[in-house]
Amino acid sequence: DTGVSQDPRHKITKRGQNVTFRCDPISEHNRLYWYRQTLGQGPEFLTYFQNEAQLEKSRLLSDRFSAERPKGSFSTLEIQRTEQGDSAMYLCASSRVELAGADTQYFGPGTRLTVL
Amino acid sequence: GENVEQHPSTLSVQEGDSAVIKCTYSDSASNYFPWYKQELGKRPQLIIDIRSNVGEKKDQRIAVTLNKTAKHFSLHITETQPEDSAVYFCAASRHDYKLSFGAGTTVTVRA
Repeated sequence: DTGVSQDPRHKITKRGQNVTFRCDPISEHNRLYWYRQTLGQGPEFLTYFQNEAQLEKSRLLSDRFSAERPKGSFSTLEIQRTEQGDSAMYLCASSRVELAGADTQYFGPGTRLTVL
Repeated sequence: GENVEQHPSTLSVQEGDSAVIKCTYSDSASNYFPWYKQELGKRPQLIIDIRSNVGEKKDQRIAVTLNKTAKHFSLHITETQPEDSAVYFCAASRHDYKLSFGAGTTVTVRA
């Protein structure tokens, strides 16, 4: 499978615990995005990377959230001291930026987080 | 920031009929408008997109139209089939590439 992959697919944790998700983008895609999707809503942008540089973070991303893409390939999203409001589907997308215009984003299957 | 509104939230059509979903956006600088289809428990999949230098684009039974002046764009599905049943999301982005999504339309095709 050469698409975007995410691990784990499901995560159940207790409030206050830390969790980490991983995203592997499509090979040679230089951009990687994280979105959060709650039930009945469209995905909401969290942050994105171009190669290893984190270029933008949403105001939705509290200081409990941190994302890395150390070698410009896979990325991790960590949530510290989880809260019940963090329960959502966390989606990763990747793209290959073009010289002109916007890029096409391809999504992974997501990690569904449930905070008890 | 960009605000994308999508209507209707649910749509039920008879198999073979057409389905139309409409979206409006607020940021006049947006220049890229993709549509994603998401089946239950699966990833969003890009089905068609349009850029601001084009007014209409068609791919088999799916078409998208864009009116930059009015800041709205629409998805048209003709000859609907049961496998078209899913949630459809419109989105918009500017040169900074992050996507702003609508709230989604649940399409049900009745056999």
